[in-house]
Amino acid sequence: DQQVKQNSPSLSVQEGRISILNCDYTNSMFDYFLWYKKYPAEGPTFLISISSIKDKNEDGRFTVFLNKSAKHLSLHIVPSQPGDSAVYFCAADNTNAGKSTFGDGTTLTVKP
Amino acid sequence: GAGVSQSPRYKVAKRGQDVALRCDPISGHVSLFWYQQALGQGPEFLTYFQNEAQLDKSGLPSDRFFAERPEGSVSTLKIQRTQQEDSAVYLCASSFGRLDTQYFGPGTRLTVL
Repeated sequence: DQQVKQNSPSLSVQEGRISILNCDYTNSMFDYFLWYKKYPAEGPTFLISISSIKDKNEDGRFTVFLNKSAKHLSLHIVPSQPGDSAVYFCAADNTNAGKSTFGDGTTLTVKP
Repeated sequence: GAGVSQSPRYKVAKRGQDVALRCDPISGHVSLFWYQQALGQGPEFLTYFQNEAQLDKSGLPSDRFFAERPEGSVSTLKIQRTQQEDSAVYLCASSFGRLDTQYFGPGTRLTVL
């Protein structure tokens, strides 16, 4: 049973518009959530994170929202840029265990 | 460079062959993680080191998989008697502490024929 799910394998948006990437989780023990960005032939790069004590975290164009009751988080990118085109992975941690569980990723394409 | 490096970048092995994958973490990083990423999926945790101690190997899929970090720096993931289902990208990540930001290497793509 997959504990972290990214139900949209791909997303295409126009440059300048908002990109919204979604992630659902099932394990209520998860208390820390991360988003990674991955370009081809490179390893994932940390983008932004959120603790379960918060419902929003913002860093420049990137904002992550957490809805604990729905076990859902989302990453908003505003405005989207062609350089944002990559695979985005959602990951969840139980900080007592200290190891991440990843979703299968969403491929974002931002069209100029 | 100052990032995590992995070698080889690509490895083709015949079924039954043993392979060794190397990870050079960022200098000073205490924590080191190995992940396996199958095609079209996200990385899956294999094992974790704190310095030279392997504190968590709960993700290793079988006893054919073995990892070591004898001097608390470079780590090697060894797979014995490789099988086709071992074909994947093997990612290494390092961090200052277990709960700190992980920095990933580019991965080693293993193909078992």
